[in-house]
Amino acid sequence: EIVMTQSPATLSLSPGERATLSCRASQSISGTHLSWYQHKPGQAPRLLIYGASTRATGIPARFSGSGSGTDFTLTISSLQPEDFAVYFCQQDSYLPYSFGQGTKLEIK
Amino acid sequence: EVQLVQSGAEVKKPGESLKISCKGSGYSFTTYWIGWVRQMPGKGLEWMGIVYPGDSDTRYGPSFQGQVTLSVDKSSSTAYLQWSSLKASDTATYYCARRSRWGGDFGMDVWGQGTTVTVSS
Repeated sequence: EIVMTQSPATLSLSPGERATLSCRASQSISGTHLSWYQHKPGQAPRLLIYGASTRATGIPARFSGSGSGTDFTLTISSLQPEDFAVYFCQQDSYLPYSFGQGTKLEIK
Repeated sequence: EVQLVQSGAEVKKPGESLKISCKGSGYSFTTYWIGWVRQMPGKGLEWMGIVYPGDSDTRYGPSFQGQVTLSVDKSSSTAYLQWSSLKASDTATYYCARRSRWGGDFGMDVWGQGTTVTVSS
């Protein structure tokens, strides 16, 4: 079973700043099977990035993804007020598919 | 519009059975896997399992194997998650989501609104 570990658990930043979120897999996975989601309270999760680096439909260009093998990164270039939320990575390269524990991005 | 619409909130007692639903519309329901995700109060997302409506092929996460049953009804484009005997620890919000493919890339691009299940005596 692949364990996805996200860091940091909480990231405190101000609007306009750059956010860098990390996701590490316990073994190498295909980047085509790594996705990132944004989750706000009371809402369904929202797909941001699939294939490690492709933005989903309607996702602003300030969101970008990178990485391969075991290390992946989600970057938000200039934080907007609506970006403060919890972010999850997920691998669906190997069953059972698994999520990271999440990074909470909070306003400083 | 492509969407997944889930059934409403449930309040049940321990030991009771429950079946919640996820109805797809606006796309070919039988050609996309449907996954189920649990979020316990104050916790993160947990992958429960996935079902392919085309042939009902089903895979479960190890924590959920034997604890829940995933099924589909192709005729109504509906996926189901069911319990035969609920526990208090099943209290959570459950999401269904469509697993899509873009070339060789994958992701869950359409999500239901979530169904909150509360199990309490």
